[in-house]
Amino acid sequence: AQTVTQSQPEMSVQEAETVTLSCTYDTSESDYYLFWYKQPPSRQMILVIRQEAYKQQNATENRFSVNFQKAAKSFSLKISDSQLGDAAMYFCAYRSGVRGGSQGNLIFGKGTKLSVKP
Amino acid sequence: DTGVSQDPRHKITKRGQNVTFRCDPISEHNRLYWYRQTLGQGPEFLTYFQNEAQLEKSRLLSDRFSAERPKGSFSTLEIQRTEQGDSAMYLCASSSHRSNTEAFFGQGTRLTVV
Repeated sequence: AQTVTQSQPEMSVQEAETVTLSCTYDTSESDYYLFWYKQPPSRQMILVIRQEAYKQQNATENRFSVNFQKAAKSFSLKISDSQLGDAAMYFCAYRSGVRGGSQGNLIFGKGTKLSVKP
Repeated sequence: DTGVSQDPRHKITKRGQNVTFRCDPISEHNRLYWYRQTLGQGPEFLTYFQNEAQLEKSRLLSDRFSAERPKGSFSTLEIQRTEQGDSAMYLCASSSHRSNTEAFFGQGTRLTVV
């Protein structure tokens, strides 16, 4: 079975600084997707960034980028120029690819609570 | 399209009562998922529908839980004889059948069993 581990329950960053959130996963599959989701307090979970396992290039979305190390099964999220609105729970998630017979359900880590200091 | 909608947002019930939650997915999405999220944890998969067919159920979904998606549109999740351990946030998500599309989440229903 696949597992996702986030070893940082809480992180803090100064506004305008950069922070990296860690995520490791375990799988024997070769076809899968990795995601970072953001869950602000009392608000719905939204997708931050997605990485297809077959792509070597790290995904980037504006101030958000990932460091995808497939051999090490590591998938960290870097937030640059942190803003107050970035404060939220961040969840790393895994999804099997279609070839694995995936139904599309996500496997989540326990999350990292990010605080942004003004 | 207003996204995934869940109702109610909050529910307080007495132990032993039955509760039902509703999820309205994004209209063109044929996949619908239910997750449960307890305090300090990430969401855990409960069940999955493709159109009206319930294709997968987690072992977390005890026989007190039942989910339906009768016409392939909205879905309901019912919990019978609620227990305090059922207190959690219940999240609904929907996605397209295309493999590389993301899941969109609703705001969740927070259940408190007293």
